[in-house]
Amino acid sequence: AQTVTQSQPEMSVQEAETVTLSCTYDTSENNYYLFWYKQPPSRQMILVIRQEAYKQQNATENRFSVNFQKAAKSFSLKISDSQLGDTAMYFCAFMKHRGSQGNLIFGKGTKLSVKP
Amino acid sequence: DSGVTQTPKHLITATGQRVTLRCSPRSGDLSVYWYQQSLDQGLQFLIQYYNGEERAKGNILERFSAQQFPDLHSELNLSSLELGDSALYFCASSRREGEQFFGPGTRLTVL
Repeated sequence: AQTVTQSQPEMSVQEAETVTLSCTYDTSENNYYLFWYKQPPSRQMILVIRQEAYKQQNATENRFSVNFQKAAKSFSLKISDSQLGDTAMYFCAFMKHRGSQGNLIFGKGTKLSVKP
Repeated sequence: DSGVTQTPKHLITATGQRVTLRCSPRSGDLSVYWYQQSLDQGLQFLIQYYNGEERAKGNILERFSAQQFPDLHSELNLSSLELGDSALYFCASSRREGEQFFGPGTRLTVL
């Protein structure tokens, strides 16, 4: 069975600085997808970034980038130039490459606070 | 706005009761997923439907059931409710592999 571990329950960062959230996972699959979702106080689940395991290149979306280390089964999220609106719970998630649209397996989340 | 809608936003009910949560996927999405988010269990996958048929089951209790209708909307039925069923229930949809877009969730409170 696949598992996703986020070892940092809470983190804080000063506005405009950079922060990295950690995620490790365990799987015997070779092809899969990894995601970071953001859940602000509104409770909406918002997709931040997505990585396909067969792609070597790390995904980036504006201020958000990942460091994907397949051999180490590590998938960290870097937020640059942190903004107050980045304050939220961040969930790392895994999805098998199943061909029929598989379900997500989530970590426990990291609560990020951006301080002015 | 993800394009996935869920109703109602909030639901308060008593133990032993039955409720139905509704989800409308994004236009064109054939897959619907249900997730439960609770303080003790975190975010857990419950069940998936694809074009009207059950495709995968996760940690869904026998008291819970779901279905997807011909217009692709889905309903999650929760019966014999217990205090521990209080949670945020999310629906997500997708039309291709490697994506899922979440609705705003239904917050269920069982008193």
